[in-house]
Amino acid sequence: AQTVTQSQPEMSVQEAETVTLSCTYDTSESNYYLFWYKQPPSRQMILVIRQEAYKQQNATENRFSVNFQKAAKSFSLKISDSQLGDTAMYFCAFIRGSQGNLIFGKGTKLSVKP
Amino acid sequence: DAGVIQSPRHEVTEMGQEVTLRCKPISGHNSLFWYRQTMMRGLELLIYFNNNVPIDDSGMPEDRFSAKMPNASFSTLKIQPSEPRDSAVYFCASSSGGSLDGQPQHFGDGTRLSIL
Repeated sequence: AQTVTQSQPEMSVQEAETVTLSCTYDTSESNYYLFWYKQPPSRQMILVIRQEAYKQQNATENRFSVNFQKAAKSFSLKISDSQLGDTAMYFCAFIRGSQGNLIFGKGTKLSVKP
Repeated sequence: DAGVIQSPRHEVTEMGQEVTLRCKPISGHNSLFWYRQTMMRGLELLIYFNNNVPIDDSGMPEDRFSAKMPNASFSTLKIQPSEPRDSAVYFCASSSGGSLDGQPQHFGDGTRLSIL
C-alpha cells in the first residue's frame, strides 16, 4: 500500500523563525511526484511546492524549500522567516507515476505566533 | 484566470434527501478529481476522470454515490439517499496533462455538506 506519514500533528513557531515539517512516504514505484499543500482556516487547498522524484535538486519556492531524501523516502518542508499568514494545516502528498490521484498524509497543524 | 469552481459552498439537508455537488474545472485541464475530507479519514479520493472518462472510482463508498462528467467543463457528484455519515467537505480538483507526468492539482473551495 502507498502511504504518507506526517508524524507531527501540531507545531508552533515564532514569527520570523524557521520551522521544518516532516513527511515520510512508502512506495515501490520509481516514478512519482511529491507535493506540499497548505489549508488555511478558509478551507482552501493551496499548492505550496512540487518535487519530481527523479530530480535530485531540492525544490524551492520563495520562503518554502524541501529536503528530499529519496533513499530514506523523506520529504520535509522548511518554512523560513515564518509569517502569521503561514498558520494553516500542511499536507504532504504524492502521486505515483502510474496513477493520477494524490495520496495525502494526515496533516500537520502549524501555528505561527507573534 | 478562474480557478476550479464548486457549488454550493455549504449544503445542509436531511437524511434521505438527494444531494448534488457541482464542479467546473479550470479551462484546458483534462483531469478531474473528487476528494472527501473528514476528521477521521483525512483527505481521500472518491473518483478520478481523465478526458471525461472515469478512470478510478474505487474510492466511491457505495452505490449511493455517483459521479458524472458529461463534458470537459462540468462534473457532478450525487448522493442518493444521503446519510449523516456522508457529512464532510467535498473537494473537486483539476489538472492538466495525463496521469504520468504528476501535474499539480488545483482545488476548488470545497462544499461543506451536513446531513441531519
